Formats: sequence, C-alpha cells, structure tokens
Amino acid sequence: QVQLVQSAAEVKRPGASVKVSCQASGYVFATYGINWVRQASGHGLEWMGWVKPSNGKTDYSQRFQDRVTLTTDTSTETAYFEMRDLTSDDTAIYYCVRGYQIVELPSGRRYYGMDVWGQGTTVTVS
Amino acid sequence: QSALNQPASVSGSPGQSVTIACTGTNSDIGTFNLVSWYQHLPGKAPELMIYDVRTRPLKFNRFSGSKSGNTASLTISGLQPEDEGHYYCSSASNGDTPIVFGGGSKLTVL
Repeated sequence: QVQLVQSAAEVKRPGASVKVSCQASGYVFATYGINWVRQASGHGLEWMGWVKPSNGKTDYSQRFQDRVTLTTDTSTETAYFEMRDLTSDDTAIYYCVRGYQIVELPSGRRYYGMDVWGQGTTVTVS
Repeated sequence: QSALNQPASVSGSPGQSVTIACTGTNSDIGTFNLVSWYQHLPGKAPELMIYDVRTRPLKFNRFSGSKSGNTASLTISGLQPEDEGHYYCSSASNGDTPIVFGGGSKLTVL
C-alpha cells in the first residue's frame, strides 16, 4: 500500500539546522509531489512547501522560504526537509504528505491536494 | 491561531450523528470548492477523508461533507468508538498561503 515513512525524532539547539527524511513506497515516487506540513503545540496545521520529485521544482510558503529547503532523491524514493536557524517556535511535529492534485489559483499560487501522510517527525528545539 | 475556525471539541453517543463546522472567509472556503477533511486517530498518521467538499473514499462512507457560504461541515453518522480522534479541515486560499487549515476538533464518543 502507499506509505510514507519519516525519520526519527530530533532534538536541536537554537540556531541549528535539522533535516528530516520521508521515504515513499507503494507508488511511483516521481509522479506525485510531496508537501510538508507542521503542527506546533497549541497550533493547528501549517503548510510549509511542496516539491516535485521528477524535476526538483519547489513551492514554498512565504513564511518559510528563507529557512526551508525541500529536496528529493528519486534513486531512493526519499524526500528531504531541511530547516535552518531553528528557534523554540519551530518545535513541532513535521509531516510529509503526498500531493495528488495541483490547482492553479487566481492569485497565481497553486493549491496542492494532499492525501497520504507520513507518521510525523517530532523536532524539539531547546 | 488557525486560518479556519473549528470547535475545539465535539462529542456524541454511539450511533448518533455529529457535525463539525469549519468556518473560513470569502478568500478561502467561500471561493473554492477545494475543501478537505482529515482524520487523525491516536497513534496513526492523519488520513484524507473528504476532498473537493464532498468526495470521499469508500472507506469513509459514514462521513459526509458539505459547504454553505464560508462554512464547510463534516457530518459523521452512526458514531462508533473508533471514530474518536482529531478532525481537521483545509481549504485553498487566496491569502498569503495557498493552503490553510483549521485548528482541529477533538471528537469524543461518549
């Protein structure tokens, strides 16, 4: 079945960087985008960005575009999320989510329909 | 605070129906039929239940979605104990972020 398996929890110091992996299985990795969504304690879900494995094209939330880099490795069917200059506000659960749908919005941005989620990776900044 | 407003908690007895509202604005729910609902059960990854306002996978045949104006709704019929968990709505948006979420609603089956 379609599955996304993420790397283990991380503990980082303020100012450090973190890299989270997301290994896909059960489908053709190159044909679906991967979104990254986070959930900070006491907050709802927040979309951070999207990457297309077939060509590496990315789309970032304006809020995170200066600190986040999304990449993929099609040979291992793995997506990566990297975030720099961490603060305590970045303590959260980070999810990778398969993108099954792309819709062009009137704003010029794109909406990414999301279906299959990874189990989440807890990143603690302290 | 989340872009879309959901009640923090809802509850119902087994066999009953409950409805969870998700209120947005005319920049998101009011404009787009791109509303999704996700189920997050304890110890499991979140799962897509409803997309495009009302389309659902066969697995979620007790769940239905609708929309009126700036508010989307998820109705769960025939509540079962295994439905306990968190439910999140999302929508496309013309705002700063193209995808916005609700804060989540915790469903308790009494």
